[in-house]
Amino acid sequence: DTAVSQTPKYLVTQMGNDKSIKCEQNLGHDTMYWYKQDSKKFLKIMFSYNNKELIINETVPNRFSPKSPDKAHLNLHINSLELGDSAVYFCASSQRDRDEKLFFGSGTQLSVL
Amino acid sequence: SQQGEEDPQALSIQEGENATMNCSYKTSINNLQWYRQNSGRGLVHLILIRSNEREKHSGRLRVTLDTSKKSSSLLITASRAADTASYFCAPEGWGKFQFGAGTQVVVTP
Repeated sequence: DTAVSQTPKYLVTQMGNDKSIKCEQNLGHDTMYWYKQDSKKFLKIMFSYNNKELIINETVPNRFSPKSPDKAHLNLHINSLELGDSAVYFCASSQRDRDEKLFFGSGTQLSVL
Repeated sequence: SQQGEEDPQALSIQEGENATMNCSYKTSINNLQWYRQNSGRGLVHLILIRSNEREKHSGRLRVTLDTSKKSSSLLITASRAADTASYFCAPEGWGKFQFGAGTQVVVTP
């Protein structure tokens, strides 16, 4: 019954590889987000989709491409992985114009070797 | 930006004591929220205070907001070992929740 689930939980890969992280929410929310948390715990917003439309696109390298096939899913594809991409990536969802609270997934720890 | 900046970075207290942490931000907001993150987990919403509110309570949590100073505080009363976690403020404006690096709270028995 997990509200926001993301897979995989751990991802270890070599530099230069391409990888994807998947996120699904069963809360009926219309907005989903990707956040990146670095080693100092700083949590930075990357992208946000509202009803499958990209509404927030922060300064993120073009190697990162979000895709929202429907309101309940938001995936993150990363091309040509670099050492600096190592971090924990969190998916979150909310319902705009309602209680505005964010519900987070449990995170994907990405390690680029 | 309306990124929240928490202070102190770390706080160590004993069970039963109160824990106070502060948050400052730079631009106007619709609301400000506080979240907790246990080690290795996602963030969990604690409390939301709107820009026209000055104080809010929820159980052992008390939040204040001073929009003239662009600051907020979170007070946890009678802390417990289970309160050990990182606490983040998230000022919200234009649909963006801008977190900082959090305050790491350790409560020792």
